[in-house]
Amino acid sequence: EDQVTQSPEALRLQEGESSSLNCSYTVSGLRGLFWYRQDPGKGPEFLFTLYSAGEEKEKERLKATLTKKESFLHITAPKPEDSATYLCAVQARGSSGDKLTFGTGTRLAVRP
Amino acid sequence: KAGVTQTPRYLIKTRGQQVTLSCSPISGHRSVSWYQQTPGQGLQFLFEYFSETQRNKGNFPGRFSGRQFSNSRSEMNVSTLELGDSALYLCASSLVPGMNNEKLFFGSGTQLSVL
Repeated sequence: EDQVTQSPEALRLQEGESSSLNCSYTVSGLRGLFWYRQDPGKGPEFLFTLYSAGEEKEKERLKATLTKKESFLHITAPKPEDSATYLCAVQARGSSGDKLTFGTGTRLAVRP
Repeated sequence: KAGVTQTPRYLIKTRGQQVTLSCSPISGHRSVSWYQQTPGQGLQFLFEYFSETQRNKGNFPGRFSGRQFSNSRSEMNVSTLELGDSALYLCASSLVPGMNNEKLFFGSGTQLSVL
């Protein structure tokens, strides 16, 4: 059974204080690993897809990396508007359609 | 371009009742999937529809069902509601399932409270 574990559950940063969020996964052949951002009262918003170990993707202050067992979401010099819950999800090779297995997320709060 | 639209936004029901939730995908998207989100379990896959056919189903009891119409709009139904069904129900759409998962778009969800 596919499993995704995210840590920490919650993280409080000062504005400008860089940090990383972790996503550990167990899957029978990885088809893709996804990062989403979710704001209160809204649905998840797509950030990145990573497909193979060693791959990296960047968007503004966010950078996602992937190894064979985990993924990191690095946040460089965060701003208060980066406060949100960050969700990691995997899709297994051989899985059809859009079925994703999600972690429970990391709640990030950035103080000004 | 309008996003994924879910109605209603909030629902309050009592145990034993049934409920129907609606989802209109982004124009041109043919695949709709449903997820249940709770604080303890996170997002859990319910089912997925493409061209009016259920392609995938998660590990939920038969009280949870869904359907998709010819215009790609989808509904999910929960019968004999239980307290544990209280959750945020999210709908997501994509152009073609599995082909390009980078473009899985979520709606804002329906918050269901069962009393």
